[in-house]
Amino acid sequence: LAKTTQPISMDSYEGQEVNITCSHNNIATNDYITWYQQFPSQGPRFIIQGYKTKVTNEVASLFIPADRKSSTLSLPRVSLSDTAVYYCLVGWGSNAGNMLTFGGGTRLMVKP
Amino acid sequence: EAGVTQFPSHSVIEKGQTVTLRCDPISGHDNLYWYRRVMGKEIKFLLHFVKESKQDESGMPNNRFLAERTGGTYSTLKVQPAELEDSGVYFCASSRLRTADEQYFGPGTRLTVT
Repeated sequence: LAKTTQPISMDSYEGQEVNITCSHNNIATNDYITWYQQFPSQGPRFIIQGYKTKVTNEVASLFIPADRKSSTLSLPRVSLSDTAVYYCLVGWGSNAGNMLTFGGGTRLMVKP
Repeated sequence: EAGVTQFPSHSVIEKGQTVTLRCDPISGHDNLYWYRRVMGKEIKFLLHFVKESKQDESGMPNNRFLAERTGGTYSTLKVQPAELEDSGVYFCASSRLRTADEQYFGPGTRLTVT
């Protein structure tokens, strides 16, 4: 399974755009890139998933360059409630199994 | 639509005792997963059910852990006998499709073995 590397922590202020980049140099051809968010005392929650180029939904955008060796989660105009741990996961290729492989995540702190 | 539920939310047991954790997936989700986070470590996969069948149990740490999903609905994870290193948070997740599908997580069961 592809290993991911992301910053341990990031700080931001309310109203700013936050970009969290994840490296996944050994991503397989069939792998998808997925981001989850986790608040304290809760289970992880799906944010967004993509395979290539750009994906946007109501809460975030995911930018994936052509070589797919990295990806960037973009959170527009963050609020205090976006303070959480964000996980980048790579997998679900046809031979990679169905489990999620969590790394350490990025702890985002949004300040007023 | 009700989310994934887990019971109990917190369990405190003594070393050597038995504990059974329960997970109720979202209705209609054939895929059910167990994960756990032990203190200070990353969330780790334990096993995956497709309906009542174990699809992948490569993450189960040892034979003190037994997971079942009778009838393909709810699942139980039994730890017998519990050891101190089993303390952590056990998450259950479910998904509709088998691959590249969003997994919905429950709130977790915090297990403390003393």
